Amino acid sequence: SQELEQSPQSLIVQEGKNLTINCTSSKTLYGLYWYKQKYGEGLIFLMMLQKGGEEKSHEKITAKLDEKKQQSSLHITASQPSHAGIYLCGAEGGTSYGKLTFGQGTILTVHP
Amino acid sequence: DVKVTQSSRYLVKRTGEKVFLECVQDMDHENMFWYRQDPGLGLRLIYFSYDVKMKEKGDIPEGYSVSREKKERFSLILESASTNQTSMYLCASSWRDSFTTTEQFFGPGTRLTVL
Repeated sequence: SQELEQSPQSLIVQEGKNLTINCTSSKTLYGLYWYKQKYGEGLIFLMMLQKGGEEKSHEKITAKLDEKKQQSSLHITASQPSHAGIYLCGAEGGTSYGKLTFGQGTILTVHP
Repeated sequence: DVKVTQSSRYLVKRTGEKVFLECVQDMDHENMFWYRQDPGLGLRLIYFSYDVKMKEKGDIPEGYSVSREKKERFSLILESASTNQTSMYLCASSWRDSFTTTEQFFGPGTRLTVL
C-alpha cells in the first residue's frame, strides 16, 4: 500500500517568514492533494497536483509536484497567524473509487 | 457550496455501548468515506462507499461497521465501543470519476470519547 511521509512533523515560525512542508511517497503519485485543518475541525481543500513538474499557487501558498511524481512540497511565503493549522497531503492510489491515503500531518504555528 | 454535516461535534459514550455516527452530504456525491484521526497518525480510512448499499473496508475496519441506505447518508457504527476508539472521526464525500480521483469534501468532525 502507498505510504506518505510528511516533514517536518511540526514547525514554529515567526510571522513574515517563509516555510516549506514536504510530502514524500513510497510510490508514484497519480494525484496529490493538499489540505489544511484548523484544530478540531474538518479539512479544507487547498490544491491538487497531477502532472510531474506541476506547480500551483493560491494567494501566498505554492504547491509543487516533482518530475518523478514521488515528492510534493508546499511553500508559504510571508507567513501569517492565519496560516497556522495542520497541513496534510493526500494521494490517490490509482483506483477509480477515489480513495486517498494521507500523511501524518504537519502542525504549523505562526507567532505574531 | 458543498456541505457535509456530521450529527455531533462532541460525543461521550461508555465502554460497551453501541454508537452511531451520522454523515449527510448535499451534493449528490457517489463516494463517501469515514476516517479516524489520531495525533501522529494522520487520517486513516475506516470504510468507504461508492454507491448506495455498497461498502468497502478501508485500512482499519475492525470494530466498525457502516450503513448506506440512501445516497446522501453514510453511517458509522461502533457495535461495542472501546476506549481505544476514542478519536476524532471525519466524514468525507466526493464525486466518482472513472479516470481520476476528485477532491474530497470533509465534514467538521466528531470528537468521540469512550470512557
